[in-house]
Amino acid sequence: QVQLVASGGGVVQPGGSLRISCATSGFTFSSSDMYWVRQAPGKGLEWLAFIWSDGINKYYADSVKGRFTISRDNSKKVLYMQMSSLRPEDTAVYYCAKRTGEIPLDYWGQGTLVTVSS
Amino acid sequence: EIVMTQSPATLSVSPGEGATLSCRASQSVSNNLAWYQQKPGQAPRLLMYGASTRATGIPARFSGSGSGTEFTLTISSLQSEDFAVYYCHQYKNWPPLTFGGGTKVEIK
Repeated sequence: QVQLVASGGGVVQPGGSLRISCATSGFTFSSSDMYWVRQAPGKGLEWLAFIWSDGINKYYADSVKGRFTISRDNSKKVLYMQMSSLRPEDTAVYYCAKRTGEIPLDYWGQGTLVTVSS
Repeated sequence: EIVMTQSPATLSVSPGEGATLSCRASQSVSNNLAWYQQKPGQAPRLLMYGASTRATGIPARFSGSGSGTEFTLTISSLQSEDFAVYYCHQYKNWPPLTFGGGTKVEIK
């Protein structure tokens, strides 16, 4: 079955960096486009980034452009988000998700909590 | 950026009753509209895409309708497991992909 397992969250100081990961199984990762979406405590969903299956083309939300970088390793079936210049408002649960054809965000990982605090 | 507006923010419903959730887009998204269900402490789950196509494993009591700027998610007879927050999402014109603010369906 399809599985996405996010990891790497934790507590980081403002201005710091962190890399979160999403390990996948149960589907052809190298053919799947992928997303990162976050949810601040008690808030709604915010799309952050998207990467095509080939890893070449990427899109970002304005809120993270220039600070976050989405990437993937198709040989390891892992999606990454490198986060730098972190701010307190980046505190959230970070979810990875996949796309199947024209079906958006059809499977989600369980999320990893990132807390930006001094 | 397409702004998605959901109403009401909270809907109080008794088990067995029906519920109608609304989602409005600031400009046409054609039928590129999805609905997600999220329970406390869980990741969102895809319910509907293409405005009216149920995702795999979603019960028939969930139905979606609409196109352009006005969309509706209807739950015909609420079961205990349906009390959750529901989000609409447009994927027509992006980036950015955008979500509505959510409708919480609570037990009356």
